[in-house]
Amino acid sequence: AQSVSQHNHHVILSEAASLELGCNYSYGGTVNLFWYVQYPGQHLQLLLKYFSGDPLVKGIKGFEAEFIKSKFSFNLRKPSVQWSDTAEYFCAVNDYKLSFGAGTTVTVRA
Amino acid sequence: KAGVTQTPRYLIKTRGQQVTLSCSPISGHRSVSWYQQTPGQGLQFLFEYFSETQRNKGNFPGRFSGRQFSNSRSEMNVSTLELGDSALYLCASSWGGGDNEAFFGQGTRLTVV
Repeated sequence: AQSVSQHNHHVILSEAASLELGCNYSYGGTVNLFWYVQYPGQHLQLLLKYFSGDPLVKGIKGFEAEFIKSKFSFNLRKPSVQWSDTAEYFCAVNDYKLSFGAGTTVTVRA
Repeated sequence: KAGVTQTPRYLIKTRGQQVTLSCSPISGHRSVSWYQQTPGQGLQFLFEYFSETQRNKGNFPGRFSGRQFSNSRSEMNVSTLELGDSALYLCASSWGGGDNEAFFGQGTRLTVV
């Protein structure tokens, strides 16, 4: 089974700062990769996903992620965050089930 | 289209009791997965049902069980509740699991006292 490691537990940023969240997964052959976001009081929503093809994937709300196969990484980025990006972010890998990382809480200060 | 609906949203139960949680997937989705979310353990996979059959199971004791009906609605049951079962239980539906995108419900917050 896959394991997923997220590098940061809590990130605090100011508005307009750039965001990068690290995610590494254990090797398991072909993988499907996801980033989910959970805004306060809301359900988990898909930000973006990678199945195959271009390793740089773009998602909603200006987020993007880069799949680097040699590093088993799938890092999430956003060039300029907004206060509304305050949320918990989860990296996930799908083999026969979604395996989630521990999550990173992102706090954006106005 | 309607999203994944979980009922009830909140539950308070006493140790030793049992509880049943319900999940209605997005119309047309045949796969339903259940997850437990706690501050200490994060999101952990419980089980997945596809076309009324349990297809995958996580590492939870037998007190946790589920089923899926012919309309793809799913229920999860926890018997002999323990304090440690207090958690947010999330249901996710997809067309068929695997590489399909999973859509999550808002969860049922279970508190065991």
